Amino acid sequence: DTAVSQTPKYLVTQMGNDKSIKCEQNLGHDTMYWYKQDSKKFLKIMFSYNNKELIINETVPNRFSPKSPDKAHLNLHINSLELGDSAVYFCASSPHSAGSPLHFGNGTRLTVT
Amino acid sequence: DAKTTQPPSMDCAEGRAANLPCNHSTISGNEYVYWYRQIHSQGPQYIIHGLKNNETNEMASLIITEDRKSSTLILPHATLRDTAVYYCIVRVGDNTGKLIFGQGTTLQVKP
Repeated sequence: DTAVSQTPKYLVTQMGNDKSIKCEQNLGHDTMYWYKQDSKKFLKIMFSYNNKELIINETVPNRFSPKSPDKAHLNLHINSLELGDSAVYFCASSPHSAGSPLHFGNGTRLTVT
Repeated sequence: DAKTTQPPSMDCAEGRAANLPCNHSTISGNEYVYWYRQIHSQGPQYIIHGLKNNETNEMASLIITEDRKSSTLILPHATLRDTAVYYCIVRVGDNTGKLIFGQGTTLQVKP
């Protein structure tokens, strides 16, 4: 009964491919996020969705497209993968109330070869 | 959001209190102090947050100085499982969920 779950945990693929990472939360939260942790371990927000609507897009390349079919799911689709996309991607969720803490998943390690 | 400064690493003996400092001298009046930690190969985990009063929960205590320019996270009885990177984050109490992570403090709890 994991609160925020991501699949797959590991993803190895070649440059130029298209891949998706799925995220689901069973906490009843209204807001979901994608964060990226690069090789230097810096965590940075990519997207934020509230009730299926995009509210933050942190200048992420157009190759990254989040999709929220319902408020419990936020998937991340990446087109034309590049070497620099290799990172750990974390999904998170929170209630919509101001200042609520985020609950993170355990990440998807993407390796582009 | 205000910037925070933390020591890159600290050691603590198992069973002793771990005191992790954070400087946030440019904090604004409406900004909260949040602490998260990241255990190896896991997602960040929320620990505690506060505005100006000291806070305590089942995981830790947060001591914020009167001028709010610094704070200390206290793990009262550190265990080996508390070994992690601890992040101090200052943010407005809005609903964007945008957290700006720095490099954090790597806490090593030793037996």
